[in-house]
Amino acid sequence: DVKVTQSSRYLVKRTGEKVFLECVQDMDHENMFWYRQDPGLGLRLIYFSYDVKMKEKGDIPEGYSVSREKKERFSLILESASTNQTSMYLCASSLLGTGLYEQYFGPGTRLTVT
Amino acid sequence: ELKVEQNPLFLSMQEGKNYTIYCNYSTTSDRLYWYRQDPGKSLESLFVLLSNGAVKQEGRLMASLDTKARLSTLHITAAVHDLSATYFCAVELDSGYALNFGKGTSLLVTP
Repeated sequence: DVKVTQSSRYLVKRTGEKVFLECVQDMDHENMFWYRQDPGLGLRLIYFSYDVKMKEKGDIPEGYSVSREKKERFSLILESASTNQTSMYLCASSLLGTGLYEQYFGPGTRLTVT
Repeated sequence: ELKVEQNPLFLSMQEGKNYTIYCNYSTTSDRLYWYRQDPGKSLESLFVLLSNGAVKQEGRLMASLDTKARLSTLHITAAVHDLSATYFCAVELDSGYALNFGKGTSLLVTP
């Protein structure tokens, strides 16, 4: 059974803190993604990675960075958390290849920045 | 820039009725995905459509793809309360690794 796990379901942080969100997949997928989901805005892609140590900016990378040191793990970093980064964060993974991009999502991390 | 538009964004329907959700996209693609999200939960894959004319059915849901019209539909037959959820379509580009998601259609099925 395919599985994408995220380190926390709920997280509360203070403005200015450095925040790490971890995602692990056990499907040997090449691609991994970080999205944020906000009411009325749908899913917005922050960053994705198609290989170890490779990363590509998505639609809203400002204020975020990522790290992929191992194939199964993709971390999202908020360098200095701000209140406008309060959101639901979803990690996903997929294979690499045309017609193979079906994404498998983790349970999400609801982050509140106060 | 690829645009993926779903309509309606909100849909309230009675149990037993039929309805269709539309997903239009602005560039050439013949690969489209549908997802379901229950409140407070993550997304789960419903359908993967990989060619023009593709049709997939699961229970009361049927998805189809018309690549010439750049349109996919998700048809709901004889709705039941358990179908209440948000439904997303997502388009795969020829040149990309990621999917481009629509904003989602929030469906509420009432007695």
